[in-house]
Amino acid sequence: KQEVTQIPAALSVPEGENLVLNCSFTDSAIYNLQWFRQDPGKGLTSLLLIQSSQREQTSGRLNASLDKSSGRSTLYIAASQPGDSATYLCAVLVGYNNNDMRFGAGTRLTVKP
Amino acid sequence: EAGVAQSPRYKIIEKRQSVAFWCNPISGHATLYWYQQILGQGPKLLIQFQNNGVVDDSQLPKDRFSAERLKGVDSTLKIQPAKLEDSAVYLCASSLPGLGGYTFGSGTRLTVV
Repeated sequence: KQEVTQIPAALSVPEGENLVLNCSFTDSAIYNLQWFRQDPGKGLTSLLLIQSSQREQTSGRLNASLDKSSGRSTLYIAASQPGDSATYLCAVLVGYNNNDMRFGAGTRLTVKP
Repeated sequence: EAGVAQSPRYKIIEKRQSVAFWCNPISGHATLYWYQQILGQGPKLLIQFQNNGVVDDSQLPKDRFSAERLKGVDSTLKIQPAKLEDSAVYLCASSLPGLGGYTFGSGTRLTVV
């Protein structure tokens, strides 16, 4: 059974710091991995999507890596800003044709001015 | 491209009452998903539709939850009767076939008192 774990559960950093969020999954048989951002009480905004054949994806100050063999992904945020404060969720797709996406519980990030 | 539309944004009801949520996916997205997200947890899949057919409803509490997607476009999720533990954010997502990732709506925040 696929389980997705995100560590730490919460993180507080001063503005300007570079930071890394971690995601691990128990079964390496995934089709892709997606990182999302969620503001309090709101829906999910997709940040980055990494297919199983890819090693990393970049968008602006965000970089996500994927190591399927070790069951790990990291989300790197450069030069953090207070506007980055949110919960970051990772999810793995375990079923072909967009079936069965499993989520971690998220990391709640606070960036202090 | 318009996103996934959900309504209402918020709903407060008393236990044992009924409630319905509505979702309109991105145009052309054949697959539609309803997720339940309890505070502090990752989203959990309730039901997945492919066009107007159910692909997976294994985690839908069928004694009180029901969902339909008539005509394979918009969808309604209903809870009757509601329990206190149903308090959560209900998220709708849609996708194309393949591995292109999910797009989520803004969610409906349900509070059962």
